[in-house]
Parts: sequence; structure tokens; C-alpha cells
Amino acid sequence: AQSVAQPEDQVNVAEGNPLTVKCTYSVSGNPYLFWYVQYPNRGLQFLLKYITGDNLVKGSYGFEAEFNKSQTSFHLKKPSALVSDSALYFCAVRDRYSGAGSYQLTFGKGTKLSVIP
Amino acid sequence: GAGVSQSPSNKVTEKGKDVELRCDPISGHTALYWYRQSLGQGLEFLIYFQGNSAPDKSGLPSDRFSAERTGGSVSTLTIQRTQQEDSAVYLCASSLLHAGRDRYNEQFFGPGTRLTVL
Repeated sequence: AQSVAQPEDQVNVAEGNPLTVKCTYSVSGNPYLFWYVQYPNRGLQFLLKYITGDNLVKGSYGFEAEFNKSQTSFHLKKPSALVSDSALYFCAVRDRYSGAGSYQLTFGKGTKLSVIP
Repeated sequence: GAGVSQSPSNKVTEKGKDVELRCDPISGHTALYWYRQSLGQGLEFLIYFQGNSAPDKSGLPSDRFSAERTGGSVSTLTIQRTQQEDSAVYLCASSLLHAGRDRYNEQFFGPGTRLTVL
């Protein structure tokens, strides 16, 4: 079974400060990891993914995430937060060795990011 | 170059009625997924299509839920005899075919259908 935990329901950060949104995962094998962002009344937008290779992944809008296998984490980071980054962020995982025929992602419950001007 | 579209955007129905939700995936995307987003519950997987077949229906919560896909494109999610606990946002996503172990393609999501069962 695969699972994702986003330990913070809400993260508040001042504009211009660095931000971190935490994600830990559990899979039986090796993971594929994703971050998505959801703005109000909008669908989810893809930010970045880790499939293989470099542990530091860079994505859209200046976001990046670091895959840490020993800590089973994939925290989302940005050096300088913008008010427009305020949204709901979802981490998602898939076990690389899941059975054939199923490509569903397992999502965390989401973290609401509020960037304060 | 349109993205994933869903209709209707909002649906209000009475308990016991049937509803149909539609998803138009991105052209050329052979994989299609339905998820349900309930308040405070994150996203819950419902069903996955590869072409017109559904190799994974494990997330459908009951036999009142069914889905089909025709022509490798449009998909319809049907909920029969709706209950109040079915109220949620239903999200559809599509992706390119996953070709190989290290070629997992990201999913692109539609705006969702907000279903309210009174």
C-alpha cells in the first residue's frame, strides 16, 4: 500500500520569506513523487515530479522539492514567497512497483499555504 | 490545445436521483482518471481508464457508481440513487500513456464538477 502524509493543514509565511510545505510518504518499493497546486475553484495544476535521478527537482513558478529517501520525505520549497503563491498544495505518490494496470496516484490531504503581505 | 474539461461545473440534485458527470480529456491522452475531493479529505481515487477499458475500478465506493469511456476519449461518471454523502467535487484527469518503468507521466486535471445532494 502507498500513503502520503502532509503534517500541516496550514502554513503561514510572510511575503519574501522562504517557504516549506512538508510531505512524507510510505511505499513498499521506490516512489514516484509529485506536487500539485490548487487555486480556489480551480483544478489541480502540476508543479513538479521526482521519477529518478537528481534528488533536487525544480518545477514551475520557482518551486523546488528535494527527495530524501532515508527520511521518506519530499518537501516543497521556494526561496522567496509571493502573495500569489497562496493556495492549496497536494503531495502525491505512486509506488514504482505497483501492479500493472493501475497508475493511480495517492494524494495527501493538502496543505493550505497563506502568504501574508 | 485545450486542457481537460468537465461538465457541468456545478450540479445540485435531490437525494435518490441519478446524475451523470462528463469529462473531456486532453486530445491524445490515453489514460483517464476520476477522483473525488471531499472537504478535508484530500483526493480519493475512483477509477482509471486505459483507452476504453478500466483495469482499475478499486476506488469506486459502491455499486451505485459506474463509469464508461467511449472512443478512447470522453468519459462519463454515473452515480445512481445519490446520497448526501456523495456531495463532493469530482475531478477528472488525463495523461499520456505510461511507457516503461521510469516514464510515469504527470496527470492533468480538469476544473471539477461540484456535486451537491440535497
